[in-house]
Amino acid sequence: DTEVTQTPKHLVMGMTNKKSLKCEQHMGHRAMYWYKQKAKKPPELMFVYSYEKLSINESVPSRFSPECPNSSLLNLHLHALQPEDSALYLCASSRLGQGAYGYTFGSGTRLTVV
Amino acid sequence: KQEVTQIPAALSVPEGENLVLNCSFTDSAIYNLQWFRQDPGKGLTSLLLIQSSQREQTSGRLNASLDKSSGRSTLYIAASQPGDSATYLCAVRRISNFGNEKLTFGTGTRLTIIP
Repeated sequence: DTEVTQTPKHLVMGMTNKKSLKCEQHMGHRAMYWYKQKAKKPPELMFVYSYEKLSINESVPSRFSPECPNSSLLNLHLHALQPEDSALYLCASSRLGQGAYGYTFGSGTRLTVV
Repeated sequence: KQEVTQIPAALSVPEGENLVLNCSFTDSAIYNLQWFRQDPGKGLTSLLLIQSSQREQTSGRLNASLDKSSGRSTLYIAASQPGDSATYLCAVRRISNFGNEKLTFGTGTRLTIIP
């Protein structure tokens, strides 16, 4: 298995809703990432998990709450989002400290906040 | 702070032409550089990865080069086809302390191949 699987592919939520994005990989990668991408912009890093521990939080608002329950699964819990949070949310995974290997990205979740 | 820039921002060429996309980065302390392709509204597809000790990598009609000392990489696409139309992103993976991995993306080049 060489894929990163993200669900759902599309999500529409109101500003008072609570929802979660899910990401799964079975490549044995011990680093997992959340990126946010606005239209016509490059992806921006949100969170990094290394060995299931949060190692980087790029000053993301607390309405985004990441969770890494095990080495294969990464969640992003959403609560009280704003319309400007509408974007494509990408999950990725990689081996740690390995120059010979790259990142593998999922197909993303298109989030619309209404 | 690593900054990654891609030139040009957009490019339109007739089918069949060879073309070059450019990527420059400010911090040469990198593990590797990766080129991705992104179709509208979709995820990222990895095209090529060049380790910091390598000078180039090839896959089919694609060839990527890396000059770490000058902070530059190029992606060469031979005999372009309409199916090559997409946004191309380069990304550098910095050398980091344990658990501090980070991939920084370039600004992207939107490529259109005209049939």
